[in-house]
Amino acid sequence: GAVVSQHPSRVICKSGTSVKIECRSLDFQATTMFWYRQFPKQSLMLMATSNEGSKATYEQGVEKDKFLINHASLTLSTLTVTSAHPEDSSFYICSARVPGASGNTIYFGEGSWLTVV
Amino acid sequence: AQSVTQPDIHITVSEGASLELRCNYSYGATPYLFWYVQSPGQGLQLLLKYFSGDTLVQGIKGFEAEFKRSQSSFNLRKPSVHWSDAAEYFCAVSLDSNYQLIWGAGTKLIIKP
Repeated sequence: GAVVSQHPSRVICKSGTSVKIECRSLDFQATTMFWYRQFPKQSLMLMATSNEGSKATYEQGVEKDKFLINHASLTLSTLTVTSAHPEDSSFYICSARVPGASGNTIYFGEGSWLTVV
Repeated sequence: AQSVTQPDIHITVSEGASLELRCNYSYGATPYLFWYVQSPGQGLQLLLKYFSGDTLVQGIKGFEAEFKRSQSSFNLRKPSVHWSDAAEYFCAVSLDSNYQLIWGAGTKLIIKP
């Protein structure tokens, strides 16, 4: 079946540095990927919709200059947290949409734990 | 405002007992409906989804959910839980095929031995 892989699964970075999280679709082409953030004990929050070959669509309140999203190919979307701060520490999850005969299906990556120290 | 409500923050059931997790949504039209499970330290896994047709949907791991239009509900059920079912369960809806999901707050399932 379709698999979405995220890397790294865990990353620790220093405050002020940037960190990149990759989201890959391993055996299918994903024209659309979604990036979510999950705060402790809270639900997922959609950050942005990433479309291959075009600019990402950010949700209200999400800083596009801080959370850079690039979807340069049909199998890869990246989220770069720039000038990271401790409050950016969170669990980030990507998902990819796969069109199908019976409707679209969403597959999620394993998630990436970011800790900013 | 559009919303998805999971009224139970956590539920504790004994192993072997039946389970029902509640989910209500507030939308004018019938949305696409999903249940996901997130085990500790892992990503999300789709349990089941409802698009149209039979309102009782069968999913993986022995789960099922029933869509009730009159109650705007999509409750998740399992007749007999196993210790491995301990996880957090999320109900989600999408209004269109673009699949921008709107999520409930989640319900943490705790299994008593």
